[in-house]
Amino acid sequence: EAQVTQNPRYLITVTGKKLTVTCSQNMNHEYMSWYRQDPGLGLRQIYYSMNVEVTDKGDVPEGYKVSRKEKRNFPLILESPSPNQTSLYFCASSKDRTATNEKLFFGSGTQLSVL
Amino acid sequence: GDSVTQMEGPVTLSEEAFLTINCTYTATGYPSLFWYVQYPGEGLQLLLKATKADDKGSNKGFEATYRKETTSFHLEKGSVQVSDSAVYFCALRGDGGATNKLIFGTGTLLAVQP
Repeated sequence: EAQVTQNPRYLITVTGKKLTVTCSQNMNHEYMSWYRQDPGLGLRQIYYSMNVEVTDKGDVPEGYKVSRKEKRNFPLILESPSPNQTSLYFCASSKDRTATNEKLFFGSGTQLSVL
Repeated sequence: GDSVTQMEGPVTLSEEAFLTINCTYTATGYPSLFWYVQYPGEGLQLLLKATKADDKGSNKGFEATYRKETTSFHLEKGSVQVSDSAVYFCALRGDGGATNKLIFGTGTLLAVQP
């Protein structure tokens, strides 16, 4: 089954404790992206990747890191989480990085709480 | 920059009522427009899309028409069901770059009561 898999689904942590949210897609997609969803703000893009070893900042990259060493995986790293990073996170992918009408496939989300 | 504005929620309707969720956009050029739906506890799924002016996207009884003259892409459904309860996001992707970035509205929660 074609899918984007995120783990964990729920995560509670404390300020400053490094964490990684994993994302994997099995569709051989070139493009992958991370979004955060906050009430009243919709989804905002954190980072994206147009291919292996190619990553770039989205609208809200501060406090986050990503890597794209393999085509299927795109982990989101919070080196020193802070309470303002409490949010619902989504990973997404699409087949072609340049097509304007390509749809995004989303993972089921990771609810992160930073205490 | 490009942006999407959609109506505030929540929208509460009775089953079989008519649904309209308003969406307007600001963008240069000719963006592609999308509606995504998020069911409780799940990620977003593409509901429908339109890629040029006057196109009508449709799926599962939902429709939206790309109106360039009013910069709008309102979502409609003639008869909603309880199973349509979800958050609906309007989104656009501009034609000026190659980043594949979607710009989302803030989402509208729809609650359909039996």
